[in-house]
Amino acid sequence: DIQMTQSPSSLSASVGDRVTITCRASESMSNYSNWYQQKPGKAPKALIYAASSLQSGVPSRFSGSGSGTDFTLTISSLQPEDFATYYCQQSYIYPWTFGQGTKVEVK
Amino acid sequence: QVQLQESGPGLVKPSETLSLTCTVSGGSINKYYWNWIRQPPGKGLEWIGYIHYSGNTRYNPSLESRVTISVDTSKNQFSLRLTSVTAADTAFYYCARESGRYETTRLDYWGQGTLVTVSS
Repeated sequence: DIQMTQSPSSLSASVGDRVTITCRASESMSNYSNWYQQKPGKAPKALIYAASSLQSGVPSRFSGSGSGTDFTLTISSLQPEDFATYYCQQSYIYPWTFGQGTKVEVK
Repeated sequence: QVQLQESGPGLVKPSETLSLTCTVSGGSINKYYWNWIRQPPGKGLEWIGYIHYSGNTRYNPSLESRVTISVDTSKNQFSLRLTSVTAADTAFYYCARESGRYETTRLDYWGQGTLVTVSS
């Protein structure tokens, strides 16, 4: 299985901050990387697919980059509704696997 | 707007079978792949498997011996069966639609999730 390792596991930030979350895959997987946002008590929501494509309806302050083994999710200006947990996921090889999550908390 | 809704018992006894159904509304179950994902309370996400509307399936090897996913296109539903459950199977279970091809493949619509607790 491909292991997806996110860092950090949690971070504290303020509204307006630029936030960056990284995900490292245990083997190269081209750009088969997705990012999801999950709020407490809710299902995950797709944000980014194919490493850098914005899912329909997702604000443009979210962006993704990377290829191979290293991927990044960036929130350019953190908004109150962005405090949540974020997961990366690989769709390169079955079984699909997710990172352990990064919790973005209020500073 | 596509909506997915999980249904099924919230409590299952150890060694018994967990059965859940996902009803798809606002769109046809045909043409897509349909997935099950679970999340133990307070923990991360685990992909369980998928079914194509044609009946083609693929499962996570860690669960493959206990999992069956089936589809009923006439009802726009797909289902999950997990046998011989233990407390380790206690989790929120989500159904989700898979969209895209190759590198654009992602889970774009999710059900709200349902908590299944394994306990006597």
